[in-house]
Amino acid sequence: GENVEQHPSTLSVQEGDSAVIKCTYSDSASNYFPWYKQELGKRPQLIIDIRSNVGEKKDQRIAVTLNKTAKHFSLHITETQPEDSAVYFCAASRPGNTPLVFGKGTRLSVIA
Amino acid sequence: NAGVTQTPKFQVLKTGQSMTLQCAQDMNHNSMYWYRQDPGMGLRLIYYSASEGTTDKGEVPNGYNVSRLNKREFSLRLESAAPSQTSVYFCASSEYDGTGELFFGEGSRLTVL
Repeated sequence: GENVEQHPSTLSVQEGDSAVIKCTYSDSASNYFPWYKQELGKRPQLIIDIRSNVGEKKDQRIAVTLNKTAKHFSLHITETQPEDSAVYFCAASRPGNTPLVFGKGTRLSVIA
Repeated sequence: NAGVTQTPKFQVLKTGQSMTLQCAQDMNHNSMYWYRQDPGMGLRLIYYSASEGTTDKGEVPNGYNVSRLNKREFSLRLESAAPSQTSVYFCASSEYDGTGELFFGEGSRLTVL
């Protein structure tokens, strides 16, 4: 089955700097790659996703890139703010009734 | 607009006791899921139901059973709780399969002594 590896497990950045989180996946049939943000004590929520027919997608300060050949995808957050502090999870899934497989998460701390 | 509602939010059990976590969604979603979250382990799938009437094992199904009661409700049962089942449990739903947004409940924190 699918295996998703996520790095780093923790990341500290100064406010205003950029943050990059990277994930690799094992199943070449996977075609959907979402990112979830989980604030302390809250539920995970989708912040951005990308499908395999697209190489990059942006939403304001957040962008995701996908390299299908290398089987990796990354989350980029620019101009980080204290409210970006959270745990971020990447995930992957393939078509059909197969559920998402999550990475182990990255705890991002934005230092003011 | 409730979304995904799960109960209870907190529960303390003794080893060997049983309990059921309830989950209901009001978005007319076809697929429902139960995940557990442990420190450093991410979100691990216990069981899922791709559609009403079907259930399948996920990555960590041992010690759990599920019931898709109807399209709205998906319950998780611990028949004989063990300390290793101490965790935060999240129910989630999606419109179709795993290639769409997951909507999570608020989570249930379970402690087994």
